[in-house]
Amino acid sequence: GAVVSQHPSWVICKSGTSVKIECRSLDFQATTMFWYRQFPKQSLMLMATSNEGSKATYEQGVEKDKFLINHASLTLSTLTVTSAHPEDSSFYICSARESRNQPQHFGDGTRLSIL
Amino acid sequence: RKEVEQDPGPFNVPEGATVAFNCTYSNSASQSFFWYRQDCRKEPKLLMSVYSSGNEDGRFTAQLNRASQYISLLIRDSKLSDSATYLCVVIRNTGGFKTIFGAGTRLFVKA
Repeated sequence: GAVVSQHPSWVICKSGTSVKIECRSLDFQATTMFWYRQFPKQSLMLMATSNEGSKATYEQGVEKDKFLINHASLTLSTLTVTSAHPEDSSFYICSARESRNQPQHFGDGTRLSIL
Repeated sequence: RKEVEQDPGPFNVPEGATVAFNCTYSNSASQSFFWYRQDCRKEPKLLMSVYSSGNEDGRFTAQLNRASQYISLLIRDSKLSDSATYLCVVIRNTGGFKTIFGAGTRLFVKA
């Protein structure tokens, strides 16, 4: 099956640090990648959708200057949480799909803890 | 009203039981349908696609009813390892493709 790799799996860092999370599709070209966050016992919340070579589309209420997304190639998207604070602590998950009507395949997720 | 609705559960069933989940969707432009499972503190994993003709994979059977706008997932002979949250996912095309996730149904299978 399709494989999406997300790195790192865990991040613990001090308040004010910027954290970069990578999402790679390993065996297919992902025209679209998605970034979600999930709080304990809650549903996935879509943060943004990124298409290769264009600017990401952010969901309402998500600060684009806070969560920088780059989708430079068909196999790599990055999410940078800038100047992270404790309230940014969450489980961040990326997903990728090959074409519009195909299911999304998820990365392993990144558990971010800001002290 | 949410576009994709699921009973949150939890469903508590004994090993060996048969359990069924339904999911309703409200947008008739919905085109593709999937079930995912998500284990606690893990990412969602694609379980199976859902078709009008039905789709069976071992103990799991998924069905789509377009007329009534719902999809179902049937799990036979439940195992302890089936304990997870099951997410109903719909892709619709209304001026652009969008993936809509249900909030999930929690299943606990007990010995």
